[in-house]
Amino acid sequence: GAVVSQHPSRVICKSGTSVKIECRSLDFQATTMFWYRQFPKQSLMLMATSNEGSKATYEQGVEKDKFLINHASLTLSTLTVTSAHPEDSSFYICSARGDLSYNSPLHFGNGTRLTVT
Amino acid sequence: GIQVEQSPPDLILQEGANSTLRCNFSDSVNNLQWFHQNPWGQLINLFYIPSGTKQNGRLSATTVATERYSLLYISSSQTTDSGVYFCAGRGGGSEKLVFGKGTKLTVNP
Repeated sequence: GAVVSQHPSRVICKSGTSVKIECRSLDFQATTMFWYRQFPKQSLMLMATSNEGSKATYEQGVEKDKFLINHASLTLSTLTVTSAHPEDSSFYICSARGDLSYNSPLHFGNGTRLTVT
Repeated sequence: GIQVEQSPPDLILQEGANSTLRCNFSDSVNNLQWFHQNPWGQLINLFYIPSGTKQNGRLSATTVATERYSLLYISSSQTTDSGVYFCAGRGGGSEKLVFGKGTKLTVNP
């Protein structure tokens, strides 16, 4: 149980275009999802916390107009990288909590490797 | 939020050796997880261990919450154990899971 599916796994796009990444909880409802970013050989950095039915909370330094997050249902959150530039190339990973308990593990998707040319 | 420090940053072992990875955190945690990131970037959830000890095959983990650290033990290491090991904690009144910088493990045949 507690499977998080992320799609696509890889995407290559041209500068100036937008890319949407989907994160789905397959067998549970996730009121809260988290989006992380990982540069090569570095750790995972939290970008934003996504709550179903409300606006996402962004970490300091993350541009909310560039990284649009929508959490329209209890099983789906999307991250849209708008007007992508080469510096947005990175590995993006989503995660979700499997139950409403605050003290429960996070389950992670397999990540999306974005390359902007 | 809390800060998470991992040590050592790099570790090279011969196949069959044992190892201990450490994770220190700056505040009390109510969630601590250990992950193994494979070469394709997938995060494999190893343990959810806010306190106590757990074992899964050749891997085990211990968290001493009162002293704010956790240890991951790998016994009889195999080349397939290579990769980056992350610990991540949540606490200090925040719901955010904060990652350490990871330990890169290389197991040579």
